[in-house]
Amino acid sequence: SQQGEEDPQALSIQEGENATMNCSYKTSINNLQWYRQNSGRGLVHLILIRSNEREKHSGRLRVTLDTSKKSSSLLITASRAADTASYFCATDGGYQKVTFGTGTKLQVIP
Amino acid sequence: DVKVTQSSRYLVKRTGEKVFLECVQDMDHENMFWYRQDPGLGLRLIYFSYDVKMKEKGDIPEGYSVSREKKERFSLILESASTNQTSMYLCASSWAGRRGDTQYFGPGTRLTVL
Repeated sequence: SQQGEEDPQALSIQEGENATMNCSYKTSINNLQWYRQNSGRGLVHLILIRSNEREKHSGRLRVTLDTSKKSSSLLITASRAADTASYFCATDGGYQKVTFGTGTKLQVIP
Repeated sequence: DVKVTQSSRYLVKRTGEKVFLECVQDMDHENMFWYRQDPGLGLRLIYFSYDVKMKEKGDIPEGYSVSREKKERFSLILESASTNQTSMYLCASSWAGRRGDTQYFGPGTRLTVL
């Protein structure tokens, strides 16, 4: 069962530009997470935002959460070639589990 | 740092073979998970375990079984591999006690079934 849906599916930008990707979900959540996956590798946790938070920052990452719209966005500022990866949102999918979306594939062109 | 390791990065097996994928974590996490990842479908949960010898089916358990005899080790078993089980398999672990806590992933095993 899929909870989060990322948008766009793919994004291509120049180095130095900002990248924004969105996640929409269907049912109420306790928290939402964003993960990064480099090609052919495992996922790496980036940031977790709880349902009572509206915005969270970590380095060049900014995550917002709008529970009334059931949506979240991930902003990567001043992108670098090393940010090229797939990005997934994940919502708590029941006791001890999370449910992942299908991901946004980001390409940063040097 | 949390470390989750998987026994193989790449594996090629033949249809009908029994396949074992092993996952080991070194952070004393209670929860362990097996996912498969296919293009356009994202990550789908196969099985998870919240304690030694405990397991629960995920979204797509058919054709798979699991074993957790020790806290740090979680094995995924394909009883009789089929070509539609060709996929990337990802193992993850997390602390217990909170809903949807951070998961730590292994590097993945790309399995090809011929």
